[in-house]
Amino acid sequence: EAGVVQSPRYKIIEKKQPVAFWCNPISGHNTLYWYRQNLGQGPELLIRYENEEAVDDSQLPKDRFSAERLKGVDSTLKIQPAELGDSAVYLCASSPGTGTPGYFGPGTRLTVL
Amino acid sequence: GQQVMQIPQYQHVQEGEDFTTYCNSSTTLSNIQWYKQRPGGHPVFLIQLVKSGEVKKQKRLTFQFGEAKKNSSLHITATQTTDVGTYFCAVTTSGTYKYIFGTGTRLKVLA
Repeated sequence: EAGVVQSPRYKIIEKKQPVAFWCNPISGHNTLYWYRQNLGQGPELLIRYENEEAVDDSQLPKDRFSAERLKGVDSTLKIQPAELGDSAVYLCASSPGTGTPGYFGPGTRLTVL
Repeated sequence: GQQVMQIPQYQHVQEGEDFTTYCNSSTTLSNIQWYKQRPGGHPVFLIQLVKSGEVKKQKRLTFQFGEAKKNSSLHITATQTTDVGTYFCAVTTSGTYKYIFGTGTRLKVLA
């Protein structure tokens, strides 16, 4: 069974530029999460989807971050414009349903110069 | 807001020694998950605890949920170099499905 796929794996951009991350969850997983992990810290939830509905986006900085999960499968997370403080690893995770363990993808390491 | 603290922050042990990390919450939890993250890797699910006082074992790993459901521990018996990584707890409270990750405990095992 294929795991959670994320791309790109690495991204280096200059501040004020836009950037987008893509995630393909495990087949059949209805719940999808986007996390941000800063160096030396635990993952911080940005947004949680149940199918195509964003059920928890309270931690998403909506002035510059946006996310979508069209058709309840793949998801994209966008930052526009990026700031220096956005440098982090962006992790996507999926699970079969609410409250079940999350399966994480390899993450996208973003560096903003 | 809810705070989840893990202690210790770092632990260096000699191979063969035991290791324990603790996860403490300021509020009563619904359930707790434990993850392991290898250096440069992503979190990998280990176990989920739901019941008060629950104890689960996976080979050399023993997980325990406190009676008051405010804390949990992960104990590794006779550590091996393959146990190196950061161990995170992730907790959720009743009525929500938002998992909050702890600060993590970074384990180094010296051969």
